[in-house]
Amino acid sequence: ETGVTQTPRHLVMGMTNKKSLKCEQHLGHNAMYWYKQSAKKPLELMFVYNFKEQTENNSVPSRFSPECPNSSHLFLHLHTLQPEDSALYLCASSQSASSSGNTIYFGEGSWLTVV
Amino acid sequence: GQQLNQSPQSMFIQEGEDVSMNCTSSSIFNTWLWYKQDPGEGPVLLIALYKAGELTSNGRLTAQFGITRKDSFLNISASIPSDVGIYFCAGQLRSGGGADGLTFGKGTHLIIQP
Repeated sequence: ETGVTQTPRHLVMGMTNKKSLKCEQHLGHNAMYWYKQSAKKPLELMFVYNFKEQTENNSVPSRFSPECPNSSHLFLHLHTLQPEDSALYLCASSQSASSSGNTIYFGEGSWLTVV
Repeated sequence: GQQLNQSPQSMFIQEGEDVSMNCTSSSIFNTWLWYKQDPGEGPVLLIALYKAGELTSNGRLTAQFGITRKDSFLNISASIPSDVGIYFCAGQLRSGGGADGLTFGKGTHLIIQP
């Protein structure tokens, strides 16, 4: 138990569906992140929120839409995805995203399959 | 952007052997982190290093932050079956005006033969 909870753990969706991934952290952190992990590729940073403000969007296609209503919750809204978007999506949190010496903790991930 | 070279890509070892893996970067980092990921799970933090030259242990694991700030290594002593998994290094650089995520290596896949 890392203090970062992701739901659902597994999701299968069609290319025309709209779904959302949810992340909640119980660590009192102020920064939250979405990462994508594909086979044989390094973990890719997608979005960073610091104190509920989006501070980084790493050239992610608009079919991925993040939402951070408060420092404890982060969503990733998905619509009209492509099969190549199938991956493990990892949520993470840290005390703050704007200082070094800042350890990032990951959730268990949401496995997404786009059919 | 920053790139991390993690090696080896995979290791096949006997139970009880010591393990060593490392990461090198083309850029300087202020923080080095080592994570382990089991199949179907998220990465779990093993060791965090915040200072050049720092040597930190966590049980049978030892990691060091290279003096040049461009490299780090992780050693596992007397490996056991539950050490199997993928080990990732990650570097973090504080930017001037915004937020940072981590730059990850591609991972070292550790396989232990009984």
